[in-house]
Amino acid sequence: NAGVTQTPKFQVLKTGQSMTLQCAQDMNHNSMYWYRQDPGMGLRLIYYSASEGTTDKGEVPNGYNVSRLNKREFSLRLESAAPSQTSVYFCASSEPSGYNEQFFGPGTRLTVL
Amino acid sequence: DAKTTQPTSMDCAEGRAANLPCNHSTISGNEYVYWYRQIHSQGPQYIIHGLKNNETNEMASLIITEDRKSSTLILPHATLRDTAVYYCIVRPYNNAGNMLTFGGGTRLMVKP
Repeated sequence: NAGVTQTPKFQVLKTGQSMTLQCAQDMNHNSMYWYRQDPGMGLRLIYYSASEGTTDKGEVPNGYNVSRLNKREFSLRLESAAPSQTSVYFCASSEPSGYNEQFFGPGTRLTVL
Repeated sequence: DAKTTQPTSMDCAEGRAANLPCNHSTISGNEYVYWYRQIHSQGPQYIIHGLKNNETNEMASLIITEDRKSSTLILPHATLRDTAVYYCIVRPYNNAGNMLTFGGGTRLMVKP
């Protein structure tokens, strides 16, 4: 039971390059989330998927797209990376309502030069 | 979601109780208080949550004031492994998508 896994762990991009961050969970959760965390700050929600087939914008969606590929997988795509997107990206999953806790992955550390 | 206010940092001696305060004076009647923590470079980890009664689990205790405008997270016997940033979050029980809004948190340093 791996929980929430993310790939890659580290990535360096040049401005304008694109990439996709992958996230998978094996807890059969309906909801999945993408957050970013800038140095010294709390996490901010980028996008979330309350259930398979649905996605919604969070607090900071600009410059990102997401795909809920199936119940297990939720990917985050940067079409044209910018230095402002240098951050640590966390994926999480949970049941969609009630007091259910969110389970977080280990994070992807992205640097855009 | 209601806003929370936490001290930026706190120290605690190893083996002593760590008491982390949180103010949430605008909390609504249907909002719960949640605590998460983030150990350096890792993803956040759920600790505990409560509505109005005090709660205890294997990790911590949560004391919520009668007027629900503030709460305290208690780690009864802090260890060096409890050094982390602790986030107090309030959110409705059934908000769409179960989203969390993180503030700056309290950086707890447990010292030998």
